[in-house]
Amino acid sequence: GAVVSQHPSRVICKSGTSVKIECRSLDFQATTMFWYRQFPKQSLMLMATSNEGSKATYEQGVEKDKFLINHASLTLSTLTVTSAHPEDSSFYICSAPGRAPNVLTFGAGSRLTVL
Amino acid sequence: AQSVTQLGSHVSVSEGALVLLRCNYSSSVPPYLFWYVQYPNQGLQLLLKYTSAATLVKGINGFEAEFKKSETSFHLTKPSAHMSDAAEYFCAVSDPSNTGKLIFGQGTTLQVKP
Repeated sequence: GAVVSQHPSRVICKSGTSVKIECRSLDFQATTMFWYRQFPKQSLMLMATSNEGSKATYEQGVEKDKFLINHASLTLSTLTVTSAHPEDSSFYICSAPGRAPNVLTFGAGSRLTVL
Repeated sequence: AQSVTQLGSHVSVSEGALVLLRCNYSSSVPPYLFWYVQYPNQGLQLLLKYTSAATLVKGINGFEAEFKKSETSFHLTKPSAHMSDAAEYFCAVSDPSNTGKLIFGQGTTLQVKP
């Protein structure tokens, strides 16, 4: 149980376009989801906390107008990278508190490549 | 404020040898600590967690870790490495009042040689 699904797993887009990444909790409800970013050979950095029915909370240094987060239902959060540039190329991973206490369940990640 | 330091970005062991991945933390409150494993192009899988119960924590795949408050450490060990253990390992810390906000270490790549 407690499966988090991300889609797409890989996406390539042209510079200047927008890309949407979906994060779904498949067998549980998640009022909160977390979006992380991982550069090659580096650690994960928390970008923002997605809250169902309210605005996301962004970490310091993360542009909220650049990375739009929507959490419209108890099972879906989306991250939209707007006007993407090559420096936005990264591995984006979402997570949600699963059934086990104090444990996050992570999605498989979405690799974005901006040409 | 919390932080995690993983000593050694790359560790190489022979199959069957002891695995030791080091993690030191800094936290202004009693922390929760985690070890996650990541295989290439995949998300993270929880290996084990410390949440203020027993200081010696056993996880999946034969891994275990010991919380040592005096040393502010949470090193990950496995008695005998297997080829399938080759992956990226991340130590993470969270504030018990906000367990969704994980602070990750830099990661350690474990290589297992035949």
